[in-house]
Amino acid sequence: SAVISQKPSRDICQRGTSLTIQCQVDSQVTMMFWYRQQPGQSLTLIATANQGSEATYESGFVIDKFPISRPNLTFSTLTVSNMSPEDSSIYLCSVEFGSGASYNEQFFGPGTRLTVL
Amino acid sequence: LAKTTQPISMDSYEGQEVNITCSHNNIATNDYITWYQQFPSQGPRFIIQGYKTKVTNEVASLFIPADRKSSTLSLPRVSLSDTAVYYCLVVSNRDDKIIFGKGTRLHILP
Repeated sequence: SAVISQKPSRDICQRGTSLTIQCQVDSQVTMMFWYRQQPGQSLTLIATANQGSEATYESGFVIDKFPISRPNLTFSTLTVSNMSPEDSSIYLCSVEFGSGASYNEQFFGPGTRLTVL
Repeated sequence: LAKTTQPISMDSYEGQEVNITCSHNNIATNDYITWYQQFPSQGPRFIIQGYKTKVTNEVASLFIPADRKSSTLSLPRVSLSDTAVYYCLVVSNRDDKIIFGKGTRLHILP
């Protein structure tokens, strides 16, 4: 398993500004992912954070809006750029070790609750 | 990845056995059936994974018929703390990403 922390845990931001969310893991992991979860909804995968290269974005998400960094095997950031109220959501990072008895078992952080006014 | 369909919500009472069924008609040979649990204000947590027949762990059992087009998550003797959203997912051993469906909102009543 893994201990995953996210900063900030919550924030209230003004439209047009940007917020960077940090995800820190207590051990090295092979895969890191970023998800968005709007109130009462399921999780939507934003992108896979690749160590040492550009992130792989899912349909509907672009790098200009959600730039992602992953400088090493334990840390990643997601920036929500030029925010609008529609970006109000919970943002979660998750990690996968790439080994073990189960395929694609992911461990999730506690999430960052973002409100855009 | 195969699409999954599961009930939107279910109610049950403490001490009962709860069975949540998921259909995945387009499941492929390389796909595994996986369930996650999400409590309010927390990230999802992996519960169980299976390929065929039956898998059991300390939390739940997973029943998968021979055609693998559906699966049933069984929670024995639920308590109020089992109130959560349960997600059925189909994951591939050839792809790292997982896709969440709508999930089943389980509400346990006293």
